[in-house]
Amino acid sequence: EVVMTQSPATLSVSPGERATLSCRASQSVSSKLAWYQQKPGQAPRLLIYGASTRATGIPPRFSGSGSGTEFTLTISSLQSEDFALYYCHQYNDWPPLTFGGGTKVEIK
Amino acid sequence: QVQLVESGGGVVQPGGSLRLSCAASGFTFSGYGMHWVRQAPGKGLEWVTLIWYDGSKKYYADSVKGRFTISRDNSKNTLSLQMNSLRVEDTAVYYCVRWNGDTAYDGWGQGTLVTVSS
Repeated sequence: EVVMTQSPATLSVSPGERATLSCRASQSVSSKLAWYQQKPGQAPRLLIYGASTRATGIPPRFSGSGSGTEFTLTISSLQSEDFALYYCHQYNDWPPLTFGGGTKVEIK
Repeated sequence: QVQLVESGGGVVQPGGSLRLSCAASGFTFSGYGMHWVRQAPGKGLEWVTLIWYDGSKKYYADSVKGRFTISRDNSKNTLSLQMNSLRVEDTAVYYCVRWNGDTAYDGWGQGTLVTVSS
């Protein structure tokens, strides 16, 4: 099973600042890595797939990078609607498909 | 657009059974693999099971193997999850999710809450 580790668990950022979230895989997942955003009481929403491709309708302030075992989600200038939980997800080696534990981006 | 609507959640005693359904619309249901993903209260996401686009292959998480059964009816655009021998630790919101091998989980339902409690 591929274990996904996200850091930090909580990220405190001021609106307008840059946020950098990390995700590490216990073994290579190539570029089969996705990022999701989840707000309280809502289902997750796909942000990034293939490690770096934005999903339909996702604004360009969201960007993904990395391959193999190290991945990053960057939000270039945080907007109020971006404060949420973020999960990484590997879909290269399954079953099982696995998720990271999440990073909460909160207002500083 | 992709629409997935789950139903069938509720409160059940340990050892009981429940059947979840997911009604799909807005896309060619028979062309996609489908998954169930769950989220325990205050916890992260956990993959539960998946079914191939034509129902020919099914996979399960170890935690539910032998107790849960996934199925689909492509003529009715419906995905189902039969859950037997439910445990307290199965308590979660269950999401029906569209799967694309290239774009991962690109469509989610709103979720249905299953509570296993005596």
